Amino acid sequence: NAGVTQTPKFRILKIGQSMTLQCTQDMNHNYMYWYRQDPGMGLKLIYYSVGAGITDKGEVPNGYNVSRSTTEDFPLRLELAAPSQTSVYFCASNGGGPDNEQFFGPGTRLTVL
Amino acid sequence: AQSVTQLGSHVSVSEGALVLLRCNYSSSVPPYLFWYVQYPNQGLQLLLKYTTGATLVKGINGFEAEFKKSETSFHLTKPSAHMSDAAEYFCAVSDRSNYGGSQGNLIFGKGTKLSVKP
Repeated sequence: NAGVTQTPKFRILKIGQSMTLQCTQDMNHNYMYWYRQDPGMGLKLIYYSVGAGITDKGEVPNGYNVSRSTTEDFPLRLELAAPSQTSVYFCASNGGGPDNEQFFGPGTRLTVL
Repeated sequence: AQSVTQLGSHVSVSEGALVLLRCNYSSSVPPYLFWYVQYPNQGLQLLLKYTTGATLVKGINGFEAEFKKSETSFHLTKPSAHMSDAAEYFCAVSDRSNYGGSQGNLIFGKGTKLSVKP
């Protein structure tokens, strides 16, 4: 049981490039989330999904897109990378309900130069 | 809108001393309350949570927190700090009234970095 896995661990992008951050969970959780973490700012929700085929915007969705074709996978797409997207990205999943624990992946550290 | 305030971005204690990390929330309806810990270069893991019932909640690694509705607070404590407690701690809330929409969405505080001196 690997929990939540994310790839890659690190990435450097040039301005204007695109990439996809991968996230997979093996706990059969319906709810999945993408956060970004910037120093001293806590975590901000980018997008979330309550099940396969259903996604919605969080607090900071601009410049990102997501899809959820399976229960296990929740990739985050960056189009036209900008320096403001330099951050650490975390994927998380939840078995259901706002009182449940979120399980976090190890994170992807992205630098846009 | 919900918000979470963590007083002190950085707290330093001596090994063996009391740890107190403060968290206040703003909501007319008490939310579900969580404390997560993040060790360097790792993801977050749950320390403890309050959903209902007893207001003093015990978590992993000897930490506990008390929900005080009158003070809208959920402060985290540990009687005796250990070097291994050095990490960043995040208080988070989720809206117990929002079952139909953004289920499980967490609002995080900005975090408190705990340093433990030998």
